[in-house]
Amino acid sequence: EAGVTQSPTHLIKTRGQQATLRCSPISGHTSVYWYQQALGLGLQFLLWYDEGEERNRGNFPPRFSGRQFPNYSSELNVNALELEDSALYLCASSPPGQQANYGYTFGSGTRLTVV
Amino acid sequence: AQSVTQLGSHVSVSEGALVLLRCNYSSSVPPYLFWYVQYPNQGLQLLLKYTSAATLVKGINGFEAEFKKSETSFHLTKPSAHMSDAAEYFCAAYSGNTPLVFGKGTRLSVIA
Repeated sequence: EAGVTQSPTHLIKTRGQQATLRCSPISGHTSVYWYQQALGLGLQFLLWYDEGEERNRGNFPPRFSGRQFPNYSSELNVNALELEDSALYLCASSPPGQQANYGYTFGSGTRLTVV
Repeated sequence: AQSVTQLGSHVSVSEGALVLLRCNYSSSVPPYLFWYVQYPNQGLQLLLKYTSAATLVKGINGFEAEFKKSETSFHLTKPSAHMSDAAEYFCAAYSGNTPLVFGKGTRLSVIA
């Protein structure tokens, strides 16, 4: 089966611009999670979408937002980019109601660089 | 709130030596626990998971982990390190209807 796919793999933006990152979950997975992996900070939870709804949000400012589409794919939008937004953004998916038993399958990430 | 602590941000072992990566969780209710591995410029790959079936869990690539409730620990081990094991390892916990909480990671270096 195809894994979690993320696009683009690399993205370079200027401070103040907007970035859009995309994620396609594994077929049959309805939950999508976004994490930020900045240097030295580990994985910080950003957003969780399930069945088109935002289920949970991490401790990030409102300029981080996203949505989930009817086909369960998702996009993450970051407005008013700041230099400290430079990080690897990871998307993961899990089957419905199976967070505990299945865990997550991760994509390879989008490397966002803000200059 | 659940938290995960990984002792040692960097562990270095010789090829063929025992690998021990430490993970402690905070919840008084034993959570579901996971170990992931991340190779450079890649996403995270699931190594193994504890879901309350057996306390000793075997994973891929010869890794295993033991759940110890009394110590709130879930340490990852491998009897003999290979060069290909060099990577970053993350412990994660799930309890309740919240997303996985990850530790800050341990970078494993293997010396020839």
